Amino acid sequence: AQSVTQLDSHVSVSEGTPVLLRCNYSSSYSPSLFWYVQHPNKGLQLLLKYTSAATLVKGINGFEAEFKKSETSFHLTKPSAHMSDAAEYFCVVSHASGGSYIPTFGRGTSLIVHP
Amino acid sequence: GAGVSQTPSNKVTEKGKYVELRCDPISGHTALYWYRQSLGQGPEFLIYFQGTGAADDSGLPNDRFFAVRPEGSVSTLKIQRTERGDSAVYLCASSYTPATQNTGELFFGEGSRLTVL
Repeated sequence: AQSVTQLDSHVSVSEGTPVLLRCNYSSSYSPSLFWYVQHPNKGLQLLLKYTSAATLVKGINGFEAEFKKSETSFHLTKPSAHMSDAAEYFCVVSHASGGSYIPTFGRGTSLIVHP
Repeated sequence: GAGVSQTPSNKVTEKGKYVELRCDPISGHTALYWYRQSLGQGPEFLIYFQGTGAADDSGLPNDRFFAVRPEGSVSTLKIQRTERGDSAVYLCASSYTPATQNTGELFFGEGSRLTVL
């Protein structure tokens, strides 16, 4: 079984300040982990992914995430928020089991960026 | 190249009616997923195809929901006797990576918004 918990439903920051979106996962196997972003009325887009290589993963638009096995976490960070970062962010866990590969989504964190 | 295409983008129907939602994946992608996203929630898995066969349909909520992918490309999600609780955005995603590899990025369409009155 696998699951993911996004600890904050909303995060509000000022433009130019750091962003932290928290994610904890549960998986019986070595997971792959992803962050996706969803802008209003747009499709989901991959930000970054962890697949058992380097634990610090760099993605698009300056976002990073660090895989911490001991804490079962995969938090998303960005040093300086931009207005265009305002969107819904989803943490995703996945592994192959019995021939299936079913990514499981968290409920999402809405990032609000104030000018 | 073209991304994942979903039609219709919006569908309004009456309770009890039959609905079909279509997904055209990226050419060459063998894996195809359907998810359902309700307001304020993350996408919820419905069904997964590897080629023409449904590799995992454990997320389909009941027997009113059915999906096909007869030629291993386009997929249709079919909902019979629609209920108001079926109102949601139905998302389709495709991936090149086979099920046995743990590295597959999903490419999503923009979704089909279903409203059941």
